[in-house]
Amino acid sequence: NAGVTQTPKFQVLKTGQSMTLQCAQDMNHEYMSWYRQDPGMGLRLIHYSVGAGITDQGEVPNGYNVSRSTTEDFPLRLLSAAPSQTSVYFCASSYDSTSGYTFGSGTRLTVV
Amino acid sequence: SQQGEEDPQALSIQEGENATMNCSYKTSINNLQWYRQNSGRGLVHLILIRSNEREKHSGRLRVTLDTSKKSSSLLITASRAADTASYFCATIGGSNYKLTFGKGTLLTVNP
Repeated sequence: NAGVTQTPKFQVLKTGQSMTLQCAQDMNHEYMSWYRQDPGMGLRLIHYSVGAGITDQGEVPNGYNVSRSTTEDFPLRLLSAAPSQTSVYFCASSYDSTSGYTFGSGTRLTVV
Repeated sequence: SQQGEEDPQALSIQEGENATMNCSYKTSINNLQWYRQNSGRGLVHLILIRSNEREKHSGRLRVTLDTSKKSSSLLITASRAADTASYFCATIGGSNYKLTFGKGTLLTVNP
């Protein structure tokens, strides 16, 4: 039982490049979310999903896209990387809105 | 905007003492959750309290919720050096399914 798996763990991008952060869970959780964590800012919600085919925006969605074609996977796409997107990104999943979330170990992204 | 706000931002205590962290939030909630994050790691879910509950216990953790004041507290009893971490409160609103976090309290437990 792997839980929530995020890849890659580290990534350096040049400004303007695009990339996809991968997130997969094997717990059959319906709810999945992406957060970014910056010093002094806590965790801010980027996008979330309450089931396959359903996604919605969080607090800071600009510059990011998501899709949820399967229950297991919830990739986060950076369309055109900017230095302001330098951050640690966490994916999390939950069975439903009355359950706690399980977090991945994070992706540390640097945009130069 | 972020829903929860933890207080204090940082707390330093001696091993064996109790640690209390507070969380205030702005809008109605379905439930409130507390998480721990060790430096450089992902978050770990500690405890969830529903809006119709006032107190909940789990091992050395005690959580209270006052919906009239829109506040919660997390008490860690008999703290250990291994409790050193950041602690976050997070809420799920009454009308949506977003889990939104505060900025956290950094707890340092000195041996």
